[in-house]
Amino acid sequence: DARVTQTPRHKVTEMGQEVTMRCQPILGHNTVFWYRQTMMQGLELLAYFRNRAPLDDSGMPKDRFSAEMPDATLATLKIQPSEPRDSAVYFCASGLRLEDNEQFFGPGTRLTVL
Amino acid sequence: AQSVAQPEDQVNVAEGNPLTVKCTYSVSGNPYLFWYVQYPNRGLQFLLKYITGDNLVKGSYGFEAEFNKSQTSFHLKKPSALVSDSALYFCAVRPSTGGFKTIFGAGTRLFVKA
Repeated sequence: DARVTQTPRHKVTEMGQEVTMRCQPILGHNTVFWYRQTMMQGLELLAYFRNRAPLDDSGMPKDRFSAEMPDATLATLKIQPSEPRDSAVYFCASGLRLEDNEQFFGPGTRLTVL
Repeated sequence: AQSVAQPEDQVNVAEGNPLTVKCTYSVSGNPYLFWYVQYPNRGLQFLLKYITGDNLVKGSYGFEAEFNKSQTSFHLKKPSALVSDSALYFCAVRPSTGGFKTIFGAGTRLFVKA
């Protein structure tokens, strides 16, 4: 069955290194969301796209985070440089229509920054 | 400010008993309301949503939720709990106007004992 895929599933890196997380939305879905989940902050929306165009990235620290959709089958979230406080699980979700907002989540990327 | 509250960090129930997971919200205008479930090391899975219409919404795995506009609540319920229902449950709300940002509650952990 159709699923959102995310790579890598786990990433351990050192502070200052660049981290790139990738997401393949479900084929035909035109909306993509990036979330970050931590014990302290819960689930935070970082950014979302419709038809590959960013609609809102106000939840993202602009100085180090960037999100793009190079094509309809790939969304990327990049952190440069990474910091220990970025350690979290990053989820990508896709949806068929932004208005319905039924989102399908990927398995997440668990990021640890040492 | 728009918000979602899940007043219980944890709910314990015996298998076969009914369960309720509470959610209240504060948004301007008419809300779109959702419940998601998260199993360990997995992404969130959509359970059900309320957009408009009947206040009682039925969803996946035998779950249902009741929208109460006067109490601004959207409690999740199931008549007979299963051990396999043990998971983390998130209530989410999106205002019907003013953007597509979904706000998630902090989550409620459900434990169902055999």
